[in-house]
Amino acid sequence: DAKTTQPNSMESNEEEPVHLPCNHSTISGTDYIHWYRQLPSQGPEYVIHGLTSNVNNRMASLAIAEDRKSSTLILHRATLRDAAVYYCILRPLISNDYKLSFGAGTTVTVRA
Amino acid sequence: EAGVAQSPRYKIIEKRQSVAFWCNPISGHATLYWYQQILGQGPKLLIQFQNNGVVDDSQLPKDRFSAERLKGVDSTLKIQPAKLEDSAVYLCASTRREDTGELFFGEGSRLTVL
Repeated sequence: DAKTTQPNSMESNEEEPVHLPCNHSTISGTDYIHWYRQLPSQGPEYVIHGLTSNVNNRMASLAIAEDRKSSTLILHRATLRDAAVYYCILRPLISNDYKLSFGAGTTVTVRA
Repeated sequence: EAGVAQSPRYKIIEKRQSVAFWCNPISGHATLYWYQQILGQGPKLLIQFQNNGVVDDSQLPKDRFSAERLKGVDSTLKIQPAKLEDSAVYLCASTRREDTGELFFGEGSRLTVL
């Protein structure tokens, strides 16, 4: 499985943007980039996913580098509720198998 | 739409005892997963079901762990006998067969083995 590399932790101030980087230099052309987050004492929840183009939804934006070897999850205005562990995961496009391999993720702390 | 239901939320047992966790996925979701999450780590896949069949159980410690999904709906994960290192949160997730890109997780069952 292609691996991802994320910083262990990041801090942000409330109402400021947060940019979470993810390196995936061994990504293949058929790998989706998925982001999940896990709030304290909760199961992971889906945030966003993309293949080649940048993606936006109500929770966040996903910016994918042109060579696809890295991506950035952007939280436009952090709130206290965004404090969580964020996981960047690769999943093969051609597979009907949706199982995800989680790393340690990035722990995001939001200061009031 | 109701989410993935898991029970119990918390369980404390002595080592060598047995424990069972239950999961009811979102209605209509054919694929069900059990993950183990040890404190400070990301979730690790234990087993994957498609309807009532096992797709992948390569990471399941079969000497002590077992799981079933007899009618292709709810599922049970059992540990017998438990070891100290089994202390973790056990997460159940489900998804539809179509590619929505989204896995839905339950809140998890936290196991403490003393």
